[in-house]
Amino acid sequence: DGGITQSPKYLFRKEGQNVTLSCEQNLNHDAMYWYRQDPGQGLRLIYYSQIVNDFQKGDIAEGYSVSREKKESFPLTVTSAQKNPTAFYLCASQGMNTGELFFGEGSRLTVL
Amino acid sequence: RKEVEQDPGPFNVPEGATVAFNCTYSNSASQSFFWYRQDCRKEPKLLMSVYSSGNEDGRFTAQLNRASQYISLLIRDSKLSDSATYLCVVNRNNDMRFGAGTRLTVKP
Repeated sequence: DGGITQSPKYLFRKEGQNVTLSCEQNLNHDAMYWYRQDPGQGLRLIYYSQIVNDFQKGDIAEGYSVSREKKESFPLTVTSAQKNPTAFYLCASQGMNTGELFFGEGSRLTVL
Repeated sequence: RKEVEQDPGPFNVPEGATVAFNCTYSNSASQSFFWYRQDCRKEPKLLMSVYSSGNEDGRFTAQLNRASQYISLLIRDSKLSDSATYLCVVNRNNDMRFGAGTRLTVKP
């Protein structure tokens, strides 16, 4: 089936550790996005990529890094520099004709 | 000022009621607009795109007012299953920005 796959679904990490969240899509979409959602709040843009080997910072890029080496993959690394990393992380890709965002099921990161 | 603003609610309405949400955006160069629905602890899913001429999908009607920079969503004959958070999304050059969402609870 076509879609967006995020992993892991749940992740626990200790303070000071980096962690990488995976996002893979087989929809042949060029644009991909990472958002963060905190309880009771909306989605905030971390990074987005419109094409392979290119990406732009969103509103809250500090403490995060991304890469886009392949069209299908857009991993997000949450670094130890991110002060409050506990959140729900959502990856999406964008349909070329409609502009619709297709989301993965999300990754819940908890820092212990 | 936030780029996309919504009334957070919550809106608590009885079944069968009509409810309307508004969303304002700050950048006049925004190109396309959407309403998404998000259930608790789930990913957002597209409810409908918003076209300049307004569009309807069953009980849902979306409208765009470019001059005043707002979009609206009207839900008629509310169902219990409409209970969710409704997110307004504004797109400018593939930079997709979300509002904080409006929470709707439909009660029997």
